[in-house]
Amino acid sequence: GQQVMQIPQYQHVQEGEDFTTYCNSSTTLSNIQWYKQRPGGHPVFLIQLVKSGEVKKQKRLTFQFGEAKKNSSLHITATQTTDVGTYFCAGPTGGGSNYKLTFGKGTLLTVNP
Amino acid sequence: DVKVTQSSRYLVKRTGEKVFLECVQDMDHENMFWYRQDPGLGLRLIYFSYDVKMKEKGDIPEGYSVSREKKERFSLILESASTNQTSMYLCASSPWDSYGYTFGSGTRLTVV
Repeated sequence: GQQVMQIPQYQHVQEGEDFTTYCNSSTTLSNIQWYKQRPGGHPVFLIQLVKSGEVKKQKRLTFQFGEAKKNSSLHITATQTTDVGTYFCAGPTGGGSNYKLTFGKGTLLTVNP
Repeated sequence: DVKVTQSSRYLVKRTGEKVFLECVQDMDHENMFWYRQDPGLGLRLIYFSYDVKMKEKGDIPEGYSVSREKKERFSLILESASTNQTSMYLCASSPWDSYGYTFGSGTRLTVV
């Protein structure tokens, strides 16, 4: 079945440093979504990318969708303590179903103030 | 804002009990999902439903069943709770095209 792999599993940074997490799918994706889960919280939808090569920005967060639509990245510029949490990517499961997402295992980001 | 409400934040049950986890969404979403989240294993899909009375198995359906009698409500049932079902259970809903899941706050279930 389709797999969505994320690396790294953990990342610890000093406040002000940049952070990137990468997501790779075994199959071509129609879209990719990103979620953030704060410690003790639940995943919250951040963004969806649909087009090949698409780049979207949300303040200090930059999301990219690869040209082949099999990989994606999330880059945070100048991390802050409020960025702490686990970042998940997710893509639709194969078989023509767009309503079931397969989630990566996430990257846990910790920020040292 | 879309709201997904799970009936309990924390739950402690005994082995062998029948357990019901309830989830209600208020935005008329077609799709609803039950995930469990365990350290190191990420989010694993148990069951999902794309319409009233419709359900499909996810990746780990064994030991679980679901019910969706009304569009806004999706129930997860543990027929006979076991200790390996101790976990965080997350309900989610989305519109038909799955644009952005909205998750509930989760139920941390402990089976003793």
